Amino acid sequence: SQQGEEDPQALSIQEGENATMNCSYKTSINNLQWYRQNSGRGLVHLILIRSNEREKHSGRLRVTLDTSKKSSSLLITASRAADTASYFCATDPYLGANSKLTFGKGITLSVRP
Amino acid sequence: ETGVTQSPTHLIKTRGQQVTLRCSSQSGHNTVSWYQQALGQGPQFIFQYYREEENGRGNFPPRFSGLQFPNYSSELNVNALELDDSALYLCASHQGGRSFEQYFGPGTRLTVT
Repeated sequence: SQQGEEDPQALSIQEGENATMNCSYKTSINNLQWYRQNSGRGLVHLILIRSNEREKHSGRLRVTLDTSKKSSSLLITASRAADTASYFCATDPYLGANSKLTFGKGITLSVRP
Repeated sequence: ETGVTQSPTHLIKTRGQQVTLRCSSQSGHNTVSWYQQALGQGPQFIFQYYREEENGRGNFPPRFSGLQFPNYSSELNVNALELDDSALYLCASHQGGRSFEQYFGPGTRLTVT
């Protein structure tokens, strides 16, 4: 079963604009991760935020986490055509060796040149 | 590109047949997880192997089974294939007990006719 629900399901923006994607989840988590997938291939890890963190940055990515609302958002600034992909949030309730991810259905991002 | 490899890339099988998919984990990783991704959906957790032992299982029937070898590579076996088993099968590795980020292989596309 899917734990996360991403919103919107699809997003189309112009190159240079910012893209904001949201994720809601249902159960307690240890951490939340965002992944990118190009054309039905393998997933690439983007960023991880732990349950005791509220905001994290990595390059053009900014992720926030609100555990009281069980929600997270991913912001991609100054988008590029190469950012066109599907984006998934994944929740992880465990630690270390027991790290198991539950994914949402994903958001399809299209960045127009 | 991660150091996780999967074989074969594509596979076509007939309903009722059996299939074995293979995954080589990234160097230094002792944990492998398998996911099934149906078209237009997020990956769903099948099971995880940690140091050659099954370490958690998702909501999949027993005809989905696995194995992890001493070099931490892994196999996913599916018996009595059904049409709904058609999907992209992804494996991911990480260093259990030390990190949460999972490194995904490119996947095996299985089509059951």
